[in-house]
This record gives sequence, C-alpha cells and structure tokens, in this order.
Amino acid sequence: AQKITQTQPGMFVQEKEAVTLDCTYDTSDPSYGLFWYKQPSSGEMIFLIYQGSYDQQNATEGRYSLNFQKARKSANLVISASQLGDSAMYFCAMREFVGNEKLTFGTGTRLTIIP
Amino acid sequence: DAMVIQNPRYQVTQFGKPVTLSCSQTLNHNVMYWYQQKSSQAPKLLFHYYDKDFNNEADTPDNFQSRRPNTSFCFLDIRSPGLGDAAMYLCATSRGLAGVLEQYFGPGTRLTVT
Repeated sequence: AQKITQTQPGMFVQEKEAVTLDCTYDTSDPSYGLFWYKQPSSGEMIFLIYQGSYDQQNATEGRYSLNFQKARKSANLVISASQLGDSAMYFCAMREFVGNEKLTFGTGTRLTIIP
Repeated sequence: DAMVIQNPRYQVTQFGKPVTLSCSQTLNHNVMYWYQQKSSQAPKLLFHYYDKDFNNEADTPDNFQSRRPNTSFCFLDIRSPGLGDAAMYLCATSRGLAGVLEQYFGPGTRLTVT
C-alpha cells in the first residue's frame, strides 16, 4: 500500500501567491515524523520542514508552514509569497519511529512559479 | 561549511563495466544512506550504514554493493551496470536513526550507462 500520496504531479502558480502542496500518508504507527524536501533541477534534496506526530502545533520555517491534520492523515506544505526560486520538485516523506529507519517518499509535485 | 559531498557529479560508464560512486561528509554523522532516483520518480533507498553496521534493503539488487571505510566516506559500487541502472544516486547522512532526525543530502551523481 502507498504510504505517502502526493496527488498533484504538477502545479503552476503566479509569483507572490501562496501555494499549497498536498500530502496524505498512511501508517498504523502512533509515532512518526513527516518531512518536506525541495529538489531543484540541480538534483540536491533540500530539507524544508519537519512535523512530529505528537507535535501540538503546526510547524513553520520562514515562508514554509505545514498544515498538519492528524485525523485526516494529511500534511500539506504551504509556501507563502512564492518566488521564482521556489520552482522545483517537492517531496513529502515519512519516517515511522518504531524499528524503521527508512524515509519513505511520495512521488513528488513539480512546482513552477510564473513571473 | 559542513556538508555532504558527492563525486563525481556526472559519471558515464559502459554496460557491464564496474563503477564506483563516492560520498563524503563533514557532519560527523553516524548514518549514511544511498538512494537511487530514476527520472521523475521518488528516491528509493538502497542501503544504509549505522557506523559500520550495514543494512541492505530487501529489494536492492546484488549488483549494488557499498563500503564505508570510515565515518566520513561511503562508496557505492555497481559491479555490472545495466541500462536500467542509469539514474541519479543520492547520498544522505543523519545523526542517528531516531525518526525525528532529518537526513542531509548531497548533490547527487547522475549515472549514464552506454
């Protein structure tokens, strides 16, 4: 079964607008972490933001925030005031805490910012 | 700056000719990972080292081997590359295996098999 689902293969957004990238996950482990990574065309995976399953508040890092809805098993990434440099692939990933070192990635969303 | 370095960035090899990709880190992290990422796909974990303890994913082909001679370096050996092994290979590190710890990725090596 797919553990991480990203339903938007591609998105186009006007510069300076906010954008939400969707991510849903599936796990029976009560303890897990959710990550978002950005991958520009250069190939490097850049860590953006982390949300733990027991965190009470949504994570924020600068222009990035994570809309965590535990009951719905969703962890959407919100980018405020998008910039041209935000154009990249974005991957949602999950790591289950109990006996599992693996970071499981979704299939990614390609975001293109339009000037 | 502390970082994860991968060399070379681009590697071309011939079908069946062994190739080695290298990764080094200045973060002094305990865990080093190798991922394979094919075009337009998510990264797929091949194996990882926790210190010298090697952990192979069940579906990693025998054609792929790894060595970690010390904390800083980790190598990916492809014994007999096939056309299907053409991909981006990403190295990552982590301080430990706890779920909260993020992984730091290198820039990747793009492998072409001719």
